[in-house]
Amino acid sequence: GQQVMQIPQYQHVQEGEDFTTYCNSSTTLSNIQWYKQRPGGHPVFLIQLVKSGEVKKQKRLTFQFGEAKKNSSLHITATQTTDVGTYFCAGPRAGNMLTFGGGTRLMVKP
Amino acid sequence: DTAVSQTPKYLVTQMGNDKSIKCEQNLGHDTMYWYKQDSKKFLKIMFSYNNKELIINETVPNRFSPKSPDKAHLNLHINSLELGDSAVYFCASSQWGQGAFGYTFGSGTRLTVV
Repeated sequence: GQQVMQIPQYQHVQEGEDFTTYCNSSTTLSNIQWYKQRPGGHPVFLIQLVKSGEVKKQKRLTFQFGEAKKNSSLHITATQTTDVGTYFCAGPRAGNMLTFGGGTRLMVKP
Repeated sequence: DTAVSQTPKYLVTQMGNDKSIKCEQNLGHDTMYWYKQDSKKFLKIMFSYNNKELIINETVPNRFSPKSPDKAHLNLHINSLELGDSAVYFCASSQWGQGAFGYTFGSGTRLTVV
């Protein structure tokens, strides 16, 4: 079945440093979505990428979708303590459902 | 206004009991889901419902029975609770579109089985 993997599982950074999480799918995806879950919270939809090679920015966050539409990345420039949380990528599968990656937990030291 | 609301927020119960979790969305979405998040934060698909019809049951034990009285509600009933059922259960909703639309999640129900 479809598998979506993320690395790293955990990342500690000093405030102000950059952060990147990578997502790889075992199958070609029609789109990829990214979510953020704050500690104790619920996943919140951030963005969706659809086109091969697509790059989208949201302030300090940059999202990329690979040319082969099997991988994606999320890069945060100059992390802040408000960026703390777990970032998930997700790919669509049958039944309108999403297969989520294992998530990357970001911790930011002030 | 809460878009996807789940109740209760916390549930502590003994092994063998039966419990229910309720979910309601006011977004006008036609598809609703249940996901289970374990202690390692892994989000596991459970069920997908479109316009009250079950679309996907992701090999979840028969002890779990979802019910959708209408497209704005999706409840989850769990029989004979086991220790391994302890997790956070998230309800979510979206428009139907082959995974083309982002999900809106509820705030979750933390179930602890003792």
